[in-house]
Amino acid sequence: DTAVSQTPKYLVTQMGNDKSIKCEQNLGHDTMYWYKQDSKKFLKIMFSYNNKELIINETVPNRFSPKSPDKAHLNLHINSLELGDSAVYFCASSPAGGGGPQHFGDGTRLSIL
Amino acid sequence: GNSVTQMEGPVTLSEEAFLTINCTYTATGYPSLFWYVQYPGEGLQLLLKATKADDKGSNKGFEATYRKETTSFHLEKGSVQVSDSAVYFCALSEMYSGGGADGLTFGKGTHLIIQP
Repeated sequence: DTAVSQTPKYLVTQMGNDKSIKCEQNLGHDTMYWYKQDSKKFLKIMFSYNNKELIINETVPNRFSPKSPDKAHLNLHINSLELGDSAVYFCASSPAGGGGPQHFGDGTRLSIL
Repeated sequence: GNSVTQMEGPVTLSEEAFLTINCTYTATGYPSLFWYVQYPGEGLQLLLKATKADDKGSNKGFEATYRKETTSFHLEKGSVQVSDSAVYFCALSEMYSGGGADGLTFGKGTHLIIQP
């Protein structure tokens, strides 16, 4: 049983389109995250949700919007996709309180044509 | 702000060689420290962790000790295998003062290549 699952695994689309990536965790964790990994493998936090409340919003463009219908899901919507959005996006989760390890999904590779 | 610095590699070793990947950190508080591993085409897996000074995390023959005095968390393994080839990330996490959860701050990753 996959602990943190995200779909799709690959996403190829044109510039200017709007797309969504879904993430679900079955670990009962209270906090979920989105990370972006660039072509040089550098990982950076984008968002964090704790019990459906946004508690981190790093300096990402407002074209990116996280949506959490419940504490087991954190979806990422991206409007007006740009070439620089090409990356691998990872979802993760952890128990509440922070400071502990996070469990990661397998990633979604987004390619903008 | 918080930051993590690690050797970027690639690091190329022969099988059964001794491995050290250096990691140092800067943090405003008292962070937890982690090593994650990413195999080709996969997500990140937690390799080991330490939550306070002098703690030693260990897993699969890998070890790292939380050194507060040198703000370091170097990863070591006595005898590497070809299957250890992957990208290794050092990371830290802190709690917000309000008790909320923090995202991980990652180093840039070290690509390890083990040759038979």
